[in-house]
Amino acid sequence: QQQVKQSPQSLIVQKGGISIINCAYENTAFDYFPWYQQFPGKGPALLIAIRPDVSEKKEGRFTISFNKSAKQFSLHIMDSQPGDSATYFCAASSNTNAGKSTFGDGTTLTVKP
Amino acid sequence: NAGVTQTPKFQVLKTGQSMTLQCAQDMNHEYMSWYRQDPGMGLRLIHYSVGAGITDQGEVPNGYNVSRSTTEDFPLRLLSAAPSQTSVYFCASRQLGEQFFGPGTRLTVL
Repeated sequence: QQQVKQSPQSLIVQKGGISIINCAYENTAFDYFPWYQQFPGKGPALLIAIRPDVSEKKEGRFTISFNKSAKQFSLHIMDSQPGDSATYFCAASSNTNAGKSTFGDGTTLTVKP
Repeated sequence: NAGVTQTPKFQVLKTGQSMTLQCAQDMNHEYMSWYRQDPGMGLRLIHYSVGAGITDQGEVPNGYNVSRSTTEDFPLRLLSAAPSQTSVYFCASRQLGEQFFGPGTRLTVL
């Protein structure tokens, strides 16, 4: 049973547009929600993360929106650039489960110039 | 700091062969883990360790063994390689929730 569902599987956005990737989780014990960015041939790297005590976190052009009651969180990339083209993974973890992370299936973002 | 390093970068095995994927980290993180990444399936946890001498199974442990004799090293052993183990393998260490991934090992089993 997949505990973190991510959508869409792929996304094409024009340069300057807004990219939005969504994730939904099932386990209410999750208490840490990171987003990872992965370029081809590289390992994933932490992009931005949020804990459930806040509803939004912004770092530069990247924003996480978190809806605890709906058990959903999303990544918004403002003013998307071709250099943002990568695969994005959402994840969730809980300190009550040895901090093991459960990952979404990933979203391949292509930003067209 | 080298971060998390993995060797080899690429490997081709024949069915039934065994091998060890190496992983090392220099950040003194207690928590380390191994994932496999397959197209459209995200990252799936194979084994993890919360400290030297302590390991546990993840989501897809069958066909793999691990040990953790030091904080720095966390090797992954394939006992008898099968084509279903063709994948990209990532090692990661974790601190305060954030995972630091290595560059990956691309394994092909013929």
